Amino acid sequence: GENVEQHPSTLSVQEGDSAVIKCTYSDSASNYFPWYKQELGKGPQLIIDIRSNVGEKKDQRIAVTLNKTAKHFSLHITETQPEDSAVYFCAASGRAPGGYNKLIFGAGTRLAVHP
Amino acid sequence: NAGVTQTPKFQVLKTGQSMTLQCAQDMNHNSMYWYRQDPGMGLRLIYYSASEGTTDKGEVPNGYNVSRLNKREFSLRLESAAPSQTSVYFCASTARSEYMNTEAFFGQGTRLTVV
Repeated sequence: GENVEQHPSTLSVQEGDSAVIKCTYSDSASNYFPWYKQELGKGPQLIIDIRSNVGEKKDQRIAVTLNKTAKHFSLHITETQPEDSAVYFCAASGRAPGGYNKLIFGAGTRLAVHP
Repeated sequence: NAGVTQTPKFQVLKTGQSMTLQCAQDMNHNSMYWYRQDPGMGLRLIYYSASEGTTDKGEVPNGYNVSRLNKREFSLRLESAAPSQTSVYFCASTARSEYMNTEAFFGQGTRLTVV
């Protein structure tokens, strides 16, 4: 079945360093790749997404890259700050009939940014 | 704008008891979803409702039932709770689009413990 693998499971960086989280997906029909940030005690919140017709997308300190051939996509956070500390999830979704969005999630990465 | 609201936030059940988790969204979204989140496993889809009047099984539907009461509300029922259903449950919703996947908005979660 469809599967999304995410690495690493934990990541510890110093404030100001960059952080990179990588995901691979199995379903070649996937065409939508969102990244969610989950803070303690809260629900996941979308921080950036990319579609299969785009190779890279940036939003201030965060960027996502997509390699469709390798079925691989990554999240890059530059100039990390303590408030970036959270659990990050990647996800993949194909275009389902009926207009809904059937997301398959990775297992998550716990990012800790130390002052 | 409340977004997606889940009740209750916390619940402890005894094995064999039943309960219903409630979810409501005020964004006029067509599709709604129930996920469970377990350590090291990301979020897994239990059931979804592509539109009012329809429901379908996700990855892990066994032991659960759902009801799409109206466009706003989507409930998840555990008929006979088991310790394996101890988890954090998230409800989510998405707007309908014929052309592209849209952002999933999540509730705050319900932390359920079955003893």
